[in-house]
Amino acid sequence: DSGVTQTPKHLITATGQRVTLRCSPRSGDLSVYWYQQSLDQGLQFLIQYYNGEERAKGNILERFSAQQFPDLHSELNLSSLELGDSALYFCASSSSTGVVGNTIYFGEGSWLTVV
Amino acid sequence: AQSVSQHNHHVILSEAASLELGCNYSYGGTVNLFWYVQYPGQHLQLLLKYFSGDPLVKGIKGFEAEFIKSKFSFNLRKPSVQWSDTAEYFCAVNAPYSSASKIIFGSGTRLSIRP
Repeated sequence: DSGVTQTPKHLITATGQRVTLRCSPRSGDLSVYWYQQSLDQGLQFLIQYYNGEERAKGNILERFSAQQFPDLHSELNLSSLELGDSALYFCASSSSTGVVGNTIYFGEGSWLTVV
Repeated sequence: AQSVSQHNHHVILSEAASLELGCNYSYGGTVNLFWYVQYPGQHLQLLLKYFSGDPLVKGIKGFEAEFIKSKFSFNLRKPSVQWSDTAEYFCAVNAPYSSASKIIFGSGTRLSIRP
C-alpha cells in the first residue's frame, strides 16, 4: 500500500460526458501528480500541484483540468470525453517539488472507459 | 527539457536468464533516476532510485541499476530472473534543479518470463 488513495477504481461513461477523479496523497505529502497511461501512449505526465498551486504542466488537454484543495487532496476533471480518453489515470504524491531527491508514490489508478 | 528513452518495448526471457533493460535520458544537468515496476493488474511501485553517490544502485527483489553519466544511461539489471518478474518496467528521470520540476517516464518495457 503506497498510501495514495484514488477513487473511483473503475468508471464507465459515454462520450461527451464529464467525470471527476479524486486523489488523496500520502499523509504529509504536498505534491500531487497526475499521469495518464494508455496502451498507445505509455505513461504520460499530465500535471503537478504543490501545496495547492500548479507546479508543472505536461501533455494535458484543454478539456482536462485539475486542482488541489487546502486539505491537499486533488481532483482531475475530464470533460467532453472521447473514446481516446479511455485509459488508466494515476495519481502520485511526493513530499517535495523536486529540489531534493524526489521519490513519488503512486496510487492504484482509476480505470476510465469511454463508450 | 528532459526526456527518457527505453528502446526495448518487449523482452522475452526464460527463467534464470540474466536481464538488462536499457534506459537513456537526455538532460545536461543534475538528475535523479528511477525504475518503477508495474505487475499485471497492479499500480506502479518503486524498484530503485539514484540521487547521488555510488552509481551502482541496488533495489528490491534482486534488481540493480548502474548510472553511467558519460553515456546518459541508467540500465536495469538482474542476474537471474524469475517468472514473478513478469511486469512492465518504467525508467524515469527528474531534474531536481530545473524550473520545470516533474518526473518524466520512458514508454516502458514489457518483460515476459517463460516458466
